Amino acid sequence: GQNIDQPTEMTATEGAIVQINCTYQTSGFNGLFWYQQHAGEAPTFLSYNVLDGLEEKGRFSSFLSRSKGYSYLLLKELQMKDSASYLCAVRDGDYQLIWGAGTKLIIKP
Amino acid sequence: SAVISQKPSRDICQRGTSLTIQCQVDSQVTMMFWYRQQPGQSLTLIATANQGSEATYESGFVIDKFPISRPNLTFSTLTVSNMSPEDSSIYLCSAIKGDTEAFFGQGTRLTVV
Repeated sequence: GQNIDQPTEMTATEGAIVQINCTYQTSGFNGLFWYQQHAGEAPTFLSYNVLDGLEEKGRFSSFLSRSKGYSYLLLKELQMKDSASYLCAVRDGDYQLIWGAGTKLIIKP
Repeated sequence: SAVISQKPSRDICQRGTSLTIQCQVDSQVTMMFWYRQQPGQSLTLIATANQGSEATYESGFVIDKFPISRPNLTFSTLTVSNMSPEDSSIYLCSAIKGDTEAFFGQGTRLTVV
């Protein structure tokens, strides 16, 4: 079946680094996406990986290993505004996304 | 990228009534989707809105309860019919251009009383 796993909740300190992991088992693979969702708001796109390796975008980086069915989102120099849920999603065909349950990230001063 | 305008942003409805949610995209998109999201939970796909034909529904969702229209490449509606309190949720429309990332409307927070 289709399955995406990520931790339910994580806590980190302002200014620190946090890594949010995502493992997936899907019938197909055509890219992995990370989204950020603040409470009461719609998800916003953060990153996209389709090839193995690290994609860096400012304070955020995303890594993919297709052979291991594994990705992580790395957030550096954490700010209070980074408190949000982070959703991992896999595109298993042409367009449709399979979503993880999301990781709620709590940033403490 | 694309900007999706979704309305209404929120509504409180009586049980047994119906609510239609609209999404307008500022440019032509390849695919449009409708999701439901319970507070603190992830996204559940209701259906894929197909342009000019019947939507493709996911398991557990039926056309009689959630009729969807997509008359052109930039507009879609979702109706939540014969509502009950269990339908209280956030409803989100989403769109994809080509093989890029998905974009989302602002969401509709529905409360059924």
